[in-house]
Amino acid sequence: ETGVTQSPTHLIKTRGQQVTLRCSSQSGHNTVSWYQQALGQGPQFIFQYYREEENGRGNFPPRFSGLQFPNYSSELNVNALELDDSALYLCASSLVAGATEAFFGQGTRLTVV
Amino acid sequence: GNSVTQMEGPVTLSEEAFLTINCTYTATGYPSLFWYVQYPGEGLQLLLKATKADDKGSNKGFEATYRKETTSFHLEKGSVQVSDSAVYFCALARNAGGTSYGKLTFGQGTILTVHP
Repeated sequence: ETGVTQSPTHLIKTRGQQVTLRCSSQSGHNTVSWYQQALGQGPQFIFQYYREEENGRGNFPPRFSGLQFPNYSSELNVNALELDDSALYLCASSLVAGATEAFFGQGTRLTVV
Repeated sequence: GNSVTQMEGPVTLSEEAFLTINCTYTATGYPSLFWYVQYPGEGLQLLLKATKADDKGSNKGFEATYRKETTSFHLEKGSVQVSDSAVYFCALARNAGGTSYGKLTFGQGTILTVHP
């Protein structure tokens, strides 16, 4: 059984650019959630995707968007990058939308300069 | 809204010392409660969980009891090891109709350093 994998592991972008982060969910999981973890803080919920539809969103602006594909992998897109978007972005998959247990990937470290 | 408050760190202990990391929460209804651990350069790993009042979660020598009357879920370990050095996060997920909504609300994390 493969775990949750994210790519890339690190990247550096310039303010104003756009970025796409990718996540492959754990085998058999149909729900993916994305979190932003700023340095020294706990993760903050961005949104969740269940069977290719957005299934809940946190307090993030519309320039944060996502997709889920038929194989349940997911993308997080951020437009018009700001310096404060620098963070570790974590993807978590769960068996179903209502599952009490989520499995996290190792994260993508985004630095905006 | 939901929130989680953890004791401020960092916490520094000697090997074999007793560990307590306090966690209190505010939530509507009856959430599920979790402790996650994050080792340097890695993502989060679920350490233990409890889904209803008075449940005790345990794993790898760590324990936490869901206390509804004090809205707490303190993490304890009787004898820490150097390998326990990590960041520990308390979290909750809202339950609805017997299943969790799936959105985790995290505390700010507590850095634990264990010296030999």
